[in-house]
Amino acid sequence: AQKVTQAQTEISVVEKEDVTLDCVYETRDTTYYLFWYKQPPSGELVFLIRRNSFDEQNEISGRYSWNFQKSTSSFNFTITASQVVDSAVYFCALSFNDYKLSFGAGTTVTVRA
Amino acid sequence: DAGITQSPRYKITETGRQVTLMCHQTWSHSYMFWYRQDLGHGLRLIYYSAAADITDKGEVPDGYVVSRSKTENFPLTLESATRSQTSVYFCASSPAQGKGNQPQHFGDGTRLSIL
Repeated sequence: AQKVTQAQTEISVVEKEDVTLDCVYETRDTTYYLFWYKQPPSGELVFLIRRNSFDEQNEISGRYSWNFQKSTSSFNFTITASQVVDSAVYFCALSFNDYKLSFGAGTTVTVRA
Repeated sequence: DAGITQSPRYKITETGRQVTLMCHQTWSHSYMFWYRQDLGHGLRLIYYSAAADITDKGEVPDGYVVSRSKTENFPLTLESATRSQTSVYFCASSPAQGKGNQPQHFGDGTRLSIL
């Protein structure tokens, strides 16, 4: 069975602070895919990034960066110099060749001005 | 416009009633999915479909029925609604290429309240 754990339920920061969201996953498969989605207060789900299990290269996209470590089964997400518009619920998710996504419970990020 | 559309956006109904949530996508994606979102659970998969006339259960299928007679439509029916089915429902789609590494694209959701 696969499982995604986002231990942080809520994080509150002041604007310009960095915030790191933890994601830990469990699987016995060697081939799998990891995703992050953002759900702003308006409710839609926005795809942010995907990673496959064979690609441990970290990635930076603007103020967002992702740290994938197979050794610790983690795929953490950092927002640098947070802004109010980053306030959202962030979901980590896991899938396999069957296309089905397993989501974590989500982390609510509140950025205060 | 291309995309994935859910209707209605909001629905209030009573226990025991049948209700159908609609999902339509214009990308011709092979895969379509239905999730429900509840506080503390993230999104949980109800049903999914790999192609027209091919559907399969997800994590929480009880009380739901789906069909997929056309590639672009994937309706979800609650045959006899219960209060525990009050939730926000999301439809999603993804192409078949690349196995499971394709991101799913989500509709805007349907907020369903069952009184």
